Amino acid sequence: GAGVSQSPSNKVTEKGKDVELRCDPISGHTALYWYRQSLGQGLEFLIYFQGNSAPDKSGLPSDRFSAERTGGSVSTLTIQRTQQEDSAVYLCASSAHDRGGETQYFGPGTRLLVL
Amino acid sequence: ILNVEQSPQSLHVQEGDSTNFTCSFPSSNFYALHWYRWETAKSPEALFVMTLNGDEKKKGRISATLNTKEGYSYLYIKGSQPEDSATYLCAFPPLSRYGNKLVFGAGTILRVKS
Repeated sequence: GAGVSQSPSNKVTEKGKDVELRCDPISGHTALYWYRQSLGQGLEFLIYFQGNSAPDKSGLPSDRFSAERTGGSVSTLTIQRTQQEDSAVYLCASSAHDRGGETQYFGPGTRLLVL
Repeated sequence: ILNVEQSPQSLHVQEGDSTNFTCSFPSSNFYALHWYRWETAKSPEALFVMTLNGDEKKKGRISATLNTKEGYSYLYIKGSQPEDSATYLCAFPPLSRYGNKLVFGAGTILRVKS
């Protein structure tokens, strides 16, 4: 079956512009996660959605970052007024449920470069 | 502060060598430990989810062990091949059974030379 897909695969933008990153999770998965890997850093949690519950936004680095998940499926991560330190690979993952032992299935990522 | 440590940071081996890496994690309130393999320009691929102390899991030439009392897991690769070259990540869910956001280690970069 289809895995997690993300778009765009690469994005180059100028400092100060807004960007939107999209994630299509595996059909039927109730939990969806966003992570990022900045240069020289490990994978860092940003936000996660579980069903109709309020999202866990504890990993968002600033109020320039926001995310939504429409209809319990597709999610969009928005970065406003991008800064050079936002350059990273942004990964989306989904899992069937949100228990700690559930495998997360990752998309191929969006490579964001802020000039 | 919850922290997951991996060692070594990188490893270069010859084809056919066997190798292993370590993941250290907080042993209190343990629920699960995840191992992933991340090849360049691809999606991270789930290898194992381990939950029981003393557990050992195997997938082809790759195996992993778990010690929850002392807070470490080993990943072993037997007879490394060039296609094993990747970053190997371990991760821990700090919310245990109540949520699945993962805290990742920095990874071990493996390069296998033919």
